[in-house]
Amino acid sequence: AQSVTQLGSHVSVSEGALVLLRCNYSSSVPPYLFWYVQYPNQGLQLLLKYTSAATLVKGINGFEAEFKKSETSFHLTKPSAHMSDAAEYFCAVSLPYNQGGKLIFGQGTELSVKP
Amino acid sequence: DTGVSQDPRHKITKRGQNVTFRCDPISEHNRLYWYRQTLGQGPEFLTYFQNEAQLEKSRLLSDRFSAERPKGSFSTLEIQRTEQGDSAMYLCASSLAAPFATDLEQYFGPGTRLTVT
Repeated sequence: AQSVTQLGSHVSVSEGALVLLRCNYSSSVPPYLFWYVQYPNQGLQLLLKYTSAATLVKGINGFEAEFKKSETSFHLTKPSAHMSDAAEYFCAVSLPYNQGGKLIFGQGTELSVKP
Repeated sequence: DTGVSQDPRHKITKRGQNVTFRCDPISEHNRLYWYRQTLGQGPEFLTYFQNEAQLEKSRLLSDRFSAERPKGSFSTLEIQRTEQGDSAMYLCASSLAAPFATDLEQYFGPGTRLTVT
């Protein structure tokens, strides 16, 4: 069965510092992995996705993530945090098409950015 | 392409009342999903449609919940006899899915926040 674990429910960084949000997954089939961002009282916006093409995935707003099969990880990074990055971040794994393609989400990590 | 829209954005209701939410997916998308998100948690799958057929319902979807997608276009989610535990953000998402597709990206609407008093 597919599952996602996000390590750290809250991460705080200073503006300009490295952002690292951790995600580990469990999947019985080659996974499709996603990172979404959610601002208060809004829906989810896709940051980036891994669909087996390249292990290093670049997304919007300077974020990237690296798929590491040996570590079953898909950590999200950004070299330099900006105040506007403060939000809730969700890692998710998708079930295959023939199993409905539904998303299984982690618990989320709230990112705070200090000036 | 105007994205996924949901209506209303906010709903406050008294316990025991019925509520209905609407989701309009991206027009060419064949799959439509409903998720529920409670405070401090990640979204949880409720149900999904492929065109007009409802193909799966989560155990989270009690008998008080019903969803429809007539003609494979918009969808409605109804909650009967609401309870305080139903208070949550209800998210709708749509995707263009096909066998052997490598892109299963789902596009989310802004959500409907339900408060049951």
